[in-house]
Amino acid sequence: GQNIDQPTEMTATEGAIVQINCTYQTSGFNGLFWYQQHAGEAPTFLSYNVLDGLEEKGRFSSFLSRSKGYSYLLLKELQMKDSASYLCAVRPPAGKLIFGQGTTLQVKP
Amino acid sequence: EPEVTQTPSHQVTQMGQEVILRCVPISNHLYFYWYRQILGQKVEFLVSFYNNEISEKSEIFDDQFSVERPDGSNFTLKIRSTKLEDSAMYFCASGVNQPQHFGDGTRLSIL
Repeated sequence: GQNIDQPTEMTATEGAIVQINCTYQTSGFNGLFWYQQHAGEAPTFLSYNVLDGLEEKGRFSSFLSRSKGYSYLLLKELQMKDSASYLCAVRPPAGKLIFGQGTTLQVKP
Repeated sequence: EPEVTQTPSHQVTQMGQEVILRCVPISNHLYFYWYRQILGQKVEFLVSFYNNEISEKSEIFDDQFSVERPDGSNFTLKIRSTKLEDSAMYFCASGVNQPQHFGDGTRLSIL
């Protein structure tokens, strides 16, 4: 079966660092994606991991461990505009994306 | 940066009516997708399309749904006889080896 788990909600303080975890069990694996989604808007691509390790992209980093079926998204120097849902999605070999429920992050002053 | 564009942004339709949602994928992309997101729920895969045919579809994509690439640029999703539970945001996306890029979506409201 296919299963992607991430926390439903998280709260963090402006300027801080937050880590959003994602665990997955899927039939086949061809990459893990993180998307940001503001309320009422489309998902926006943030990062992509296909090999184990850390990918850094400005204030955002994403980590993958394929053997553990685990990824995290790290957001540094949090800003108020980072308040959004963060979607973990796995791509099986066929190409579609399978999304988790999303983690709603609230950044407080 | 190239974008996926979708029209209309909002569609209100009576239950039982047909609706067509339109998408213009990024021009050099070969794989196209439709996803939907019911309010408060996760993004769900509907169908993927490659080389002018469906390459994969989900359980949601029953015989009320169809997709077409009527010309070289547009990619459409048709729902033949809409139901209340079809109310959702519908997102078009394109790309496969590169990250999938999503359009802004069409909010479909069934009355």
